[in-house]
Amino acid sequence: QKEVEQNSGPLSVPEGAIASLNCTYSDRGSQSFFWYRQYSGKSPELIMSIYSNGDKEDGRFTAQLNKASQYVSLLIRDSQPSDSATYLCAVNLSNDYKLSFGAGTTVTVRA
Amino acid sequence: DAGVIQSPRHEVTEMGQEVTLRCKPISGHNSLFWYRQTMMRGLELLIYFNNNVPIDDSGMPEDRFSAKMPNASFSTLKIQPSEPRDSAVYFCASSLYRDSGNTIYFGEGSWLTVV
Repeated sequence: QKEVEQNSGPLSVPEGAIASLNCTYSDRGSQSFFWYRQYSGKSPELIMSIYSNGDKEDGRFTAQLNKASQYVSLLIRDSQPSDSATYLCAVNLSNDYKLSFGAGTTVTVRA
Repeated sequence: DAGVIQSPRHEVTEMGQEVTLRCKPISGHNSLFWYRQTMMRGLELLIYFNNNVPIDDSGMPEDRFSAKMPNASFSTLKIQPSEPRDSAVYFCASSLYRDSGNTIYFGEGSWLTVV
């Protein structure tokens, strides 16, 4: 089992819709969770971090964490064409120094 | 504040040549990471340093790869000899590790092509 798994995608949504991205992780002791966005040809950039169970909202982005289910998700509301990118889930496994990344989910927002 | 700075941004080299990638982390950060990204394997951690000390190099693919961090503001990743399968984007990233979490910030990457 991979340490961090994401729904494989690609995910295509119409402009204005909600894009839902899912991520599961294997280490029950993990405490820190991150979502990065990577545009084609660019480096990953941090868009959200979450540490506690529940929802965390930042603009059109909402991260949801359920440690009991070892599940973290990202919702993108009112999706825009500029949201078209690959979204990477990252987890600090057992509070290690390093982040383990999922394979990424590519999102395309259709105008 | 400047972000993570990597050089060169792009390099094309012939098989068998030595390649050196350079990284300057964000000032004040105490952890540095080298990642490699390919379409087939995604983002892979090669090595990470904490306070200039290599903590985990289990991701380094072969003895042809080596990394150093002689001080808090500089690190190198060296491939000698290079092979076509080393073609990838190499990202350096840094963070200020805290008990509350470890947010890492990426450089713009070094795009390596070995022909």
